[in-house]
Amino acid sequence: DTEVTQTPKHLVMGMTNKKSLKCEQHMGHRAMYWYKQKAKKPPELMFVYSYEKLSINESVPSRFSPECPNSSLLNLHLHALQPEDSALYLCASSQLLVAGRNTIYFGEGSWLTVV
Amino acid sequence: GNSVTQMEGPVTLSEEAFLTINCTYTATGYPSLFWYVQYPGEGLQLLLKATKADDKGSNKGFEATYRKETTSFHLEKGSVQVSDSAVYFCALREIKAAGNKLTFGGGTRVLVKP
Repeated sequence: DTEVTQTPKHLVMGMTNKKSLKCEQHMGHRAMYWYKQKAKKPPELMFVYSYEKLSINESVPSRFSPECPNSSLLNLHLHALQPEDSALYLCASSQLLVAGRNTIYFGEGSWLTVV
Repeated sequence: GNSVTQMEGPVTLSEEAFLTINCTYTATGYPSLFWYVQYPGEGLQLLLKATKADDKGSNKGFEATYRKETTSFHLEKGSVQVSDSAVYFCALREIKAAGNKLTFGGGTRVLVKP
């Protein structure tokens, strides 16, 4: 099973709203990732959690706040977003430093529209 | 830094035609190489991978060989179907303790017509 589950699939929010994107994996992976993908572009890395600790933040604005409650769950809290933040948000997971098993697996994504 | 370059699309083909998507990379060390596919309205799916030079990855009729001498990982399929219409991303991966980092190419949109 190589499944990463994301909810919701679609989200429309106003610029003053607070919402969250959720991600879950049960593959025992110890790294989880958030990517942002704009139309016709490759995904861009936002955050990496390694062993439930934030290990990489690619200079993402503070209106995006990640959280890793446990090794299977990853959230992305959204507040005061701008219309240009509208995009597909992809969650991913992988093993860490395990020879031959470091492939990154992606979820189906959450389509976010900021109005 | 690392980089991946792949041919720009869109690539338009007829069903049963031969598909090649070129991918070249620049990297320090010996990265693993991947092809991901994104069908319309969906997330990324791993299509195939190769972890060392001369490895051949294959899946669903697609193949790619890790060529260190030409720093390439071209994707091929002998006979495409309409269902292969998608965007294909070539990527290389660095393994770090802080988390594995993927460097993507720009993506190649493939449209297969009946």
